[in-house]
Amino acid sequence: DAGITQSPRHKVTETGTPVTLRCHQTENHRYMYWYRQDPGHGLRLIHYSYGVKDTDKGEVSDGYSVSRSKTEDFLLTLESATSSQTSVYFCAISGTSSSYEQYFGPGTRLTVT
Amino acid sequence: DAKTTQPPSMDCAEGRAANLPCNHSTISGNEYVYWYRQIHSQGPQYIIHGLKNNETNEMASLIITEDRKSSTLILPHATLRDTAVYYCIVSPPGSSNTGKLIFGQGTTLQVKP
Repeated sequence: DAGITQSPRHKVTETGTPVTLRCHQTENHRYMYWYRQDPGHGLRLIHYSYGVKDTDKGEVSDGYSVSRSKTEDFLLTLESATSSQTSVYFCAISGTSSSYEQYFGPGTRLTVT
Repeated sequence: DAKTTQPPSMDCAEGRAANLPCNHSTISGNEYVYWYRQIHSQGPQYIIHGLKNNETNEMASLIITEDRKSSTLILPHATLRDTAVYYCIVSPPGSSNTGKLIFGQGTTLQVKP
């Protein structure tokens, strides 16, 4: 299995509080991605990174920011959490010639009350 | 990007071959077909991908029709652990190599004893 960890694995937070989720890889892969998964919507891309300090938006980026200061870590921040951001968040990495061959982490279950 | 159509659910007997179809009638000449699966509560898992030739790896075989408008993922000897949601995704290569996977609803494969 690809060396990807996500932390925390579970989190409950209150509306309006900031939350940061961490994705850590040991594969030295170039590409990293954040997805969210909700019932009825499947997996949707939030943000992705194609290198250190290089990031771009996905299809559901509103309310989220990301940072990548080193190859191994990709942080997802909810500046002010809302109940609509209750979801399961998956990180993925890719380092092959095809960035569509991605390897996913175990996920973080976030509940915003 | 080309869209895909998959049956919402399928059953398969344990030990038999599971054949999962996918229609992608609007696929362009340089777009690849990717297959992922997601076992309950886990992150998606990359299975296989192809352009126009049939492909096989340790997990599965991918058969793409000559006109490339459809494909079939074959799990040669399905086990109970293959019960999962299977996603067929079409993604472009080359200069559009952003890795932006677009997951549909997929096919829920139930392998029965």
